[in-house]
Amino acid sequence: AQSVTQPDIHITVSEGASLELRCNYSYGATPYLFWYVQSPGQGLQLLLKYFSGDTLVQGIKGFEAEFKRSQSSFNLRKPSVHWSDAAEYFCAVGAPNTDKLIFGTGTRLQVFP
Amino acid sequence: GAVVSQHPSRVICKSGTSVKIECRSLDFQATTMFWYRQFPKQSLMLMATSNEGSKATYEQGVEKDKFLINHASLTLSTLTVTSAHPEDSSFYICSALDRSTGELFFGEGSRLTVL
Repeated sequence: AQSVTQPDIHITVSEGASLELRCNYSYGATPYLFWYVQSPGQGLQLLLKYFSGDTLVQGIKGFEAEFKRSQSSFNLRKPSVHWSDAAEYFCAVGAPNTDKLIFGTGTRLQVFP
Repeated sequence: GAVVSQHPSRVICKSGTSVKIECRSLDFQATTMFWYRQFPKQSLMLMATSNEGSKATYEQGVEKDKFLINHASLTLSTLTVTSAHPEDSSFYICSALDRSTGELFFGEGSRLTVL
């Protein structure tokens, strides 16, 4: 069965520091992988996605993620965090033959000035 | 870009009443929509897949008679929480699939509080 693990429940960084949010997945083949961001009381906004091809994916707001098949990981990175990046981040996995997404438990990012 | 709108964004109701939440795709036709439930500080749990013109497909453990889903048009799906109880209080989020791009767009969510 598909599953997604986000090991870090809460991360705190200083503004301007680099960021890496971890995501590990379990799936028998190459899944579709997504990162979403959720601001308090809001829906989800897609940051980036990986279907195939180049394993380094560029997204919106300066985020990128790298698919590493050997590690079953799809970690999200940003070189310099802004205070407005404070939010909840969800990694999700979808099977190519279905439209359903399975979400990780999320990582709450707090940014200090 | 494509937008998915949910209404109402917040609703408070008395125990025993029914509440309807709407999910609309504004810029595209969505034959498939999804309903999620999110508990405080937790992830999104898929409740059901809403298919235009046919019955919804519910995930295991989700009561069909409790959470009625209707997808009567290509731009609207509704979730009705019947005979609501305090334990139904939650944040409900819908998403709509734009098949022309393969992208999934999420609504802003609806916070239900049952007194």
